[in-house]
Amino acid sequence: SAVISQKPSRDICQRGTSLTIQCQVDSQVTMMFWYRQQPGQSLTLIATANQGSEATYESGFVIDKFPISRPNLTFSTLTVSNMSPEDSSIYLCSVVPGGTGNTEAFFGQGTRLTVV
Amino acid sequence: AQKVTQAQTEISVVEKEDVTLDCVYETRDTTYYLFWYKQPPSGELVFLIRRNSFDEQNEISGRYSWNFQKSTSSFNFTITASQVVDSAVYFCALSETGNTDKLIFGTGTRLQVFP
Repeated sequence: SAVISQKPSRDICQRGTSLTIQCQVDSQVTMMFWYRQQPGQSLTLIATANQGSEATYESGFVIDKFPISRPNLTFSTLTVSNMSPEDSSIYLCSVVPGGTGNTEAFFGQGTRLTVV
Repeated sequence: AQKVTQAQTEISVVEKEDVTLDCVYETRDTTYYLFWYKQPPSGELVFLIRRNSFDEQNEISGRYSWNFQKSTSSFNFTITASQVVDSAVYFCALSETGNTDKLIFGTGTRLQVFP
């Protein structure tokens, strides 16, 4: 199993500013995933973060808007840059210890972001 | 391309009724995993079940049961004798092996159970 601590749990930000979300896992994992859940919508994968290499972004998401750091096997950050009201969402960090062949995907409690 | 469809946007039932949440998936892989997650109003995602593509046995866990049918690419979820605490959004998700374990989620079904 894995316990994920995500900070902040919520924030209200001004448009044009940036917010960095932190994700800390209690065990070492190869890959960490960042998802976005827009209001009333499903979860969409933003990017996959591997330690020691650049993150892999899904279609529609770019590094300039959502830069990701992965300095070690237990920690990652996602920055939402130059925010607009359309960025208001819940952002979730996820890990799959041992790969989905062995276990479930664990999620942090999410960061509820409101951009005004 | 991989896709998960939850055609039911919202379902309302009265307590003690049985309710089935539908999930249809598309994938080209022969090996894949299917999941159900619950998201209560508090927002966290609660894991309910994982099923691999080679295991078509239906599963029962208390009031919850799952019906996996590869022939129709469906992985439906039934709650028996629903309770108010079952009120949540339920997501079905797909993971393909060899695809870095990322999850593809359906759009979710909001279940409201009234007393």
